[in-house]
Amino acid sequence: KQEVTQIPAALSVPEGENLVLNCSFTDSAIYNLQWFRQDPGKGLTSLLLIQSSQREQTSGRLNASLDKSSGRSTLYIAASQPGDSATYLCAVLPYSGSARQLTFGSGTQLTVLP
Amino acid sequence: GAGVSQTPSNKVTEKGKYVELRCDPISGHTALYWYRQSLGQGPEFLIYFQGTGAADDSGLPNDRFFAVRPEGSVSTLKIQRTERGDSAVYLCASSKNRGRQETQYFGPGTRLLVL
Repeated sequence: KQEVTQIPAALSVPEGENLVLNCSFTDSAIYNLQWFRQDPGKGLTSLLLIQSSQREQTSGRLNASLDKSSGRSTLYIAASQPGDSATYLCAVLPYSGSARQLTFGSGTQLTVLP
Repeated sequence: GAGVSQTPSNKVTEKGKYVELRCDPISGHTALYWYRQSLGQGPEFLIYFQGTGAADDSGLPNDRFFAVRPEGSVSTLKIQRTERGDSAVYLCASSKNRGRQETQYFGPGTRLLVL
């Protein structure tokens, strides 16, 4: 059974700092990996999707990398802002068959202090 | 355009009662998903619909949980004989279903509290 772990569970940084969030998964047979953002009382917003054949994806100040063989992904946030405060979740889609269910980690709660 | 909407946003019920949670997917999205998120955890998959049929219901925890999507659009998640352990946020998502790489778009969720 796939297990996804995110470390740390919570992180607090001053505004302007660059930071890295970590995600690890136990089964490397994945179709893709996604990073989501969740604000309190809101649904999830997809930030970046990395296909299993890709190494990284970038969107603005965000860069996500994938090392499938070692079961790891990182989300790099450059020049953090208070508006980046949220919970960040990573999720993997299994490679097998036509499976559509995402397996999520528990998230990293990020606070960016002004 | 409108995103995924879910009603009610909050639901408080008593142990043993029956509840229905509704999801309106993005117009034109043929795939619909239900997830459950407990406090401090990531969402856990419950069920996935392709059109009107449940393509994968392997995540439903027991037979008290049931979901329908009779016309291939709106879906209702039904929970019978609710238990305190059912308290969670129930999230719905939809996708265009053009392929497995399609992003799932999530609604704001229904917060269910069973007293």
